[in-house]
Amino acid sequence: DTGVSQNPRHKITKRGQNVTFRCDPISEHNRLYWYRQTLGQGPEFLTYFQNEAQLEKSRLLSDRFSAERPKGSFSTLEIQRTEQGDSAMYLCASSPQVMYGYTFGSGTRLTVV
Amino acid sequence: DQQVKQNSPSLSVQEGRISILNCDYTNSMFDYFLWYKKYPAEGPTFLISISSIKDKNEDGRFTVFLNKSAKHLSLHIVPSQPGDSAVYFCAASARNNAGNMLTFGGGTRLMVKP
Repeated sequence: DTGVSQNPRHKITKRGQNVTFRCDPISEHNRLYWYRQTLGQGPEFLTYFQNEAQLEKSRLLSDRFSAERPKGSFSTLEIQRTEQGDSAMYLCASSPQVMYGYTFGSGTRLTVV
Repeated sequence: DQQVKQNSPSLSVQEGRISILNCDYTNSMFDYFLWYKKYPAEGPTFLISISSIKDKNEDGRFTVFLNKSAKHLSLHIVPSQPGDSAVYFCAASARNNAGNMLTFGGGTRLMVKP
């Protein structure tokens, strides 16, 4: 088990383009989370899956954002029509059913130019 | 509205001395608190946690103290080592939060000088 894997590590895109990030959680973890971290701030919650069900979404997750977790395995986060304000580190984390200490991946750093 | 605050953006400590990182929260529903450590280009790594039924939890060189009446927690690192240099985030969760979402503070950058 290599932990939580996120791809790509870095993404530079032009404003208005769509981007998709992938997260592969620890295999036995049924909870998966997406957080966003901007410079000088702590991670902010975006959305949460239990198995394949998306159970919570933050108000930070505008209509341009969509996340999926087909079959309760890997997850994707898509941002449509990217804006410069979307530039951030996108972190994925997973945890077992009852546990507070997540395991985070190394993140995908998005730069919108 | 920042529910979890780390008022010191940075802290510099000499190797071997004690590092004390502080965190304040405003939401009285928070009942579980965690500290994460983050190195550059890596995701946050879980360090230590404490439930609101306790006021202290210790793990090796790391001790977390919780003062519920003051809505304050602190992380003590004794003795500090250069490898402890990183950004430390405190985070909190509420019992009625079925999804176990965490609210993070803004982080404190710790620099331990050899």
